[in-house]
Amino acid sequence: QVQLQESGPGLLKPSDTLSLTCTVSGYSISNNNWWGWMRQPPGKGLEWIGYIRYSGSTTYNPSLESRVTMSVDTSKNQFSLRLYSVTAVDTAMYYCARKEPGNWFDPWGQGTLVTVSS
Amino acid sequence: EIVMTQSPATLSVSPGERATLSCRASESVSSNLAWYQHKPGQAPRLLIYGASTRATSIPARFSGSGSGTEFTLTISSLQAEDFALYYCQQYNKWPLFTFGPGTKVDIK
Repeated sequence: QVQLQESGPGLLKPSDTLSLTCTVSGYSISNNNWWGWMRQPPGKGLEWIGYIRYSGSTTYNPSLESRVTMSVDTSKNQFSLRLYSVTAVDTAMYYCARKEPGNWFDPWGQGTLVTVSS
Repeated sequence: EIVMTQSPATLSVSPGERATLSCRASESVSSNLAWYQHKPGQAPRLLIYGASTRATSIPARFSGSGSGTEFTLTISSLQAEDFALYYCQQYNKWPLFTFGPGTKVDIK
C-alpha cells in the first residue's frame, strides 16, 4: 500500500523558510511519476505549489516560483519543499501527493498544518 | 487559469438518500476531471478520474458524469462514512491543474 507522510515544523515566523518533507512508503519514488505539493489556506481552496520527478525536474506555480524550491532524495524515498520568506498568507495545510500519469493525484498524504505568526 | 466552481457549497442529506454534486469549469476541460473525498484529519481520497471512471476500491454507489464544462458526482445512497468534503479537480492543462472550492455533504 502506497503511503505518503508530510513532516516539518508547524509554526514559523514571518521571513522564515518553510521546509517540509514527504516520505513515501510502499512505492519507489524513482518510478515514472511526478510528485506534488499542494496547500489549502484556512477557508480557501486547494492550490498547487509544484511538482518534481525523481530526476529532479521541477515545475512550479508561477505565483510562487520565485520563493519555491523542491528537491528529491531517492536514497530516503523522500521529496521536499522549501518556501522562502513566508508571511501570514502562507499559513495553510500542506499536502504531498503522487501524480498519476493521467494527471490526477493518488494517493495523498494527510497533510501538515503550517502556521506563520509573529 | 481554469476556474472551477462547485455547487452547492453545503448539501444536507439523510442517510440512504441520493446526493448530487455539481462542478463547473470556466472553459472546456474535456473529460480531464477528477473527484476527491476529504475527511478532517485524513488524506484526500481519489474517487473518480476521467470524469466517470471509479478509482480502485471505490464503491459503486459513487458515479461521475459530464464532459466539457459541466460535471456531476452522484452518491446513490449515502452511507454514514460518505459525509465529507468533495472536491473536483481539472487536469486539462499541464501543469496548471486547479481545484474547486468543495462541497460539504453533511447529515440532514
